[in-house]
Amino acid sequence: AQKVTQAQTEISVVEKEDVTLDCVYETRDTTYYLFWYKQPPSGELVFLIRRNSFDEQNEISGRYSWNFQKSTSSFNFTITASQVVDSAVYFCALSEGGTGANNLFFGTGTRLTVIP
Amino acid sequence: NAGVTQTPKFQVLKTGQSMTLQCAQDMNHEYMSWYRQDPGMGLRLIHYSVGAGITDQGEVPNGYNVSRSTTEDFPLRLLSAAPSQTSVYFCASRAGGRADTQYFGPGTRLTVL
Repeated sequence: AQKVTQAQTEISVVEKEDVTLDCVYETRDTTYYLFWYKQPPSGELVFLIRRNSFDEQNEISGRYSWNFQKSTSSFNFTITASQVVDSAVYFCALSEGGTGANNLFFGTGTRLTVIP
Repeated sequence: NAGVTQTPKFQVLKTGQSMTLQCAQDMNHEYMSWYRQDPGMGLRLIHYSVGAGITDQGEVPNGYNVSRSTTEDFPLRLLSAAPSQTSVYFCASRAGGRADTQYFGPGTRLTVL
């Protein structure tokens, strides 16, 4: 069965520090998809990124970057020069690519607090 | 496009009452789903639908019913509310392909007394 582990329950950093949020996943499928979502204090879920299992290229989007490593089953998320607006709960999620509905399974989330 | 909409935003029920949480999307998405979010447990899948007329159970389906009579709507019914169903409920949809991104509604905060 698939599983997503976000071992860091809460992280606090001072503004402008870099921070990495860890995500480790388990799946038996060779094709799968990984996602990160952000949940700000307002409560909505905001899609950040999707990564296919056959594409191990790291991705950078502004201050955000993602490091996908199949060898360690990890899909970590780094925020560079953190800002107060980055304070949120961040969820990593997995969708398996085999036959079936390909439902999305979430980790338990990491609450990031950026202190001004 | 309004995206995924949910009503109501907040609801308080008494134990044993029934109610329906509404979810609609205007993106012509085939796949829709319901999640509940509880502190420390992330989001857990309640029910999902891969198209009109087709529904199936997720990880935590007990106490909830769904139906999908149209592509646009996917209501979640609580037949007899229990305090354990106090949670935030999210509806989501995606286009249908397994690689597609799932987009979420704003959520409904439900309290059962």
